[in-house]
Amino acid sequence: KAGVTQTPRYLIKTRGQQVTLSCSPISGHRSVSWYQQTPGQGLQFLFEYFSETQRNKGNFPGRFSGRQFSNSRSEMNVSTLELGDSALYLCASSLDRPTEAFFGQGTRLTVV
Amino acid sequence: LAKTTQPISMDSYEGQEVNITCSHNNIATNDYITWYQQFPSQGPRFIIQGYKTKVTNEVASLFIPADRKSSTLSLPRVSLSDTAVYYCLVGNSGAGSYQLTFGKGTKLSVIP
Repeated sequence: KAGVTQTPRYLIKTRGQQVTLSCSPISGHRSVSWYQQTPGQGLQFLFEYFSETQRNKGNFPGRFSGRQFSNSRSEMNVSTLELGDSALYLCASSLDRPTEAFFGQGTRLTVV
Repeated sequence: LAKTTQPISMDSYEGQEVNITCSHNNIATNDYITWYQQFPSQGPRFIIQGYKTKVTNEVASLFIPADRKSSTLSLPRVSLSDTAVYYCLVGNSGAGSYQLTFGKGTKLSVIP
């Protein structure tokens, strides 16, 4: 059974640009959550989607957005990138409970 | 928003039992407590989840007192491969308005 796949694994962007990250969940999983991980702030919840609907959102500015498609694949978009957006972005999928999830290896975003 | 507090680091010798405690004074009635393990360059891996009392699986035990303001992850007879960062997560199990709050993580170093 394939795990959670995130693409790309590494990304370098310039301040002010926008970026889209992709996540393919485990087959059959309908919940997809996104997290930002930094050395200073640790793991922070961004948002969660379930059956194409955003079920909840963490405390991040509107520059961070996401969506989920009918096949449960999800994308996360960050507009007007700032240096502080440099982080490891993790996607996690689950059957239902986002607290009991399988994580991908993450996308390492560097903003220069 | 439930805030969680964990020790920053712990050392243990191989073969010993390790107990990592997480404090979550503001835990909500609907919140579950979940523990994850993370190795460098990988996404977190689910270990165990509980609501109250004691939960045990093949790799760990989770102890939650009656007031649920703390929880303790117990790893029996640790080995070198258990060297990792352990995260406590407090959050709601299902749909609706909720927040998922990770602790800062406890870096466990297992010594031969």
